[in-house]
Amino acid sequence: AQSVTQLDSQVPVFEEAPVELRCNYSSSVSVYLFWYVQYPNQGLQLLLKYLSGSTLVKGINGFEAEFNKSQTSFHLRKPSVHISDTAEYFCAVCLMDSNYQLIWGAGTKLIIKP
Amino acid sequence: DAGVTQSPTHLIKTRGQQVTLRCSPKSGHDTVSWYQQALGQGPQFIFQYYEEEERQRGNFPDRFSGHQFPNYSSELNVNALLLGDSALYLCASRLQGGQVTQYFGPGTRLLVL
Repeated sequence: AQSVTQLDSQVPVFEEAPVELRCNYSSSVSVYLFWYVQYPNQGLQLLLKYLSGSTLVKGINGFEAEFNKSQTSFHLRKPSVHISDTAEYFCAVCLMDSNYQLIWGAGTKLIIKP
Repeated sequence: DAGVTQSPTHLIKTRGQQVTLRCSPKSGHDTVSWYQQALGQGPQFIFQYYEEEERQRGNFPDRFSGHQFPNYSSELNVNALLLGDSALYLCASRLQGGQVTQYFGPGTRLLVL
C-alpha cells in the first residue's frame, strides 16, 4: 500500500532562518510528487511539483524541493523564511496508474517566531 | 482565468440531514475530484468524476455520492449525516489526457451538530 509520511507535525523556526520540512513516501509504483500549502481557513495552493527531469525543483515563494529516489524522499526547503510563510504544508504523491489519485501526508505546521 | 470555485463556504447541519456541496472547475478542466479534510489531518480522497461518470472512489460509504454535469461542474451529496462528517470538503480539478496537477478550490466547511 502507498503512504506518505511527514515526519514533523510542527516546525518552529525564527524569521529569516532556513527551514526544511521532511517528506518520505512508500509506493510500489512510480509516482509524481507535490507540495501544497494551506493558509489558515483557506484551500490548498500548489507550491511545487516533481514530474520528471531535474530532481531539484523550484516553486513559488522561494521554496524548493529535492526528489531522492533511493531514499524515497521529497523534502521541502527555504533558505530564509518570512512571517507570511506561517501555514500548514502538505506533501502528496500521485500514483501514475490510478487516475492520478493523490495520497497525502498528515501535514506540517510551519510556525515562524519573530 | 477563473480558478476552482465552491459553494457554500460554510454550512451547519444536524445529524441525519442531507447536504449538497457544489464545485465549478478551473476553466478548461474536465475532471473533478472531491476530498474530505478533517481537522488536523491531511485530505482523504472521496471520488473522481470524468465525462459525467464516477471513475474512481476512495474508502467512503455509499452515503457519499456525486454527480458531474455536462458543463463539468460537480456536486457532492452526503446523506444521513453523522457527527464525524464534520470537515472541510475540497474540490480539485484537472485536465484529463495526461495533465497530472490538480488545482483546489477554497473548500466548504461543514459542521454537523
